[in-house]
Amino acid sequence: QKEVEQNSGPLSVPEGAIASLNCTYSDRGSQSFFWYRQYSGKSPELIMSIYSNGDKEDGRFTAQLNKASQYVSLLIRDSQPSDSATYLCAVNENGGSNYKLTFGKGTLLTVNP
Amino acid sequence: NAGVMQNPRHLVRRRGQEARLRCSPMKGHSHVYWYRQLPEEGLKFMVYLQKENIIDESGMPKERFSAEFPKEGPSILRIQQVVRGDSAAYFCASSKDTYGYTFGSGTRLTVV
Repeated sequence: QKEVEQNSGPLSVPEGAIASLNCTYSDRGSQSFFWYRQYSGKSPELIMSIYSNGDKEDGRFTAQLNKASQYVSLLIRDSQPSDSATYLCAVNENGGSNYKLTFGKGTLLTVNP
Repeated sequence: NAGVMQNPRHLVRRRGQEARLRCSPMKGHSHVYWYRQLPEEGLKFMVYLQKENIIDESGMPKERFSAEFPKEGPSILRIQQVVRGDSAAYFCASSKDTYGYTFGSGTRLTVV
């Protein structure tokens, strides 16, 4: 069974700090990796996608992928209280069903003013 | 450009009733996906549809659940004879190709 594991948290950081969110996955053939942000009672919102090993930066967000270690992470620099949410890691399935995403249970991030 | 529209936002059903959840994809998107989020659980894939076709329903419970995406109108997820365990948030997503989902705001189903 394909799995995506995340620390459930809560992860608490002070405003302005770097928040580091981690995710491991079991399907070695996975090709596409996504980070979604979900505010309480709201729908998931795509914030980052990454497909190649290394770092990908977008504003205050950096996604890091290491396929050999089956590890993907999200760094949030200069964390703001508005970043407080649950962050979901999602991984596509390999092969013909590449549309199907497997989600982790999410990490709750709290940014304290 | 409206996003993915789901209705109703909240739905309360008594055990044994039917629940119908609707999803209109974003304009230009022909791929529709349904996911379920149970309390304290991650999002779980249920079904993938294109117009008039079910492409993959491997995540659908074998009984009581069905989905359709007709030529005209929204995609419908139907749950017959609901039970308390069906209480969850049901999210629809759409995409132009098979990458890059956009999720709708979800339907919160409560079975009493």
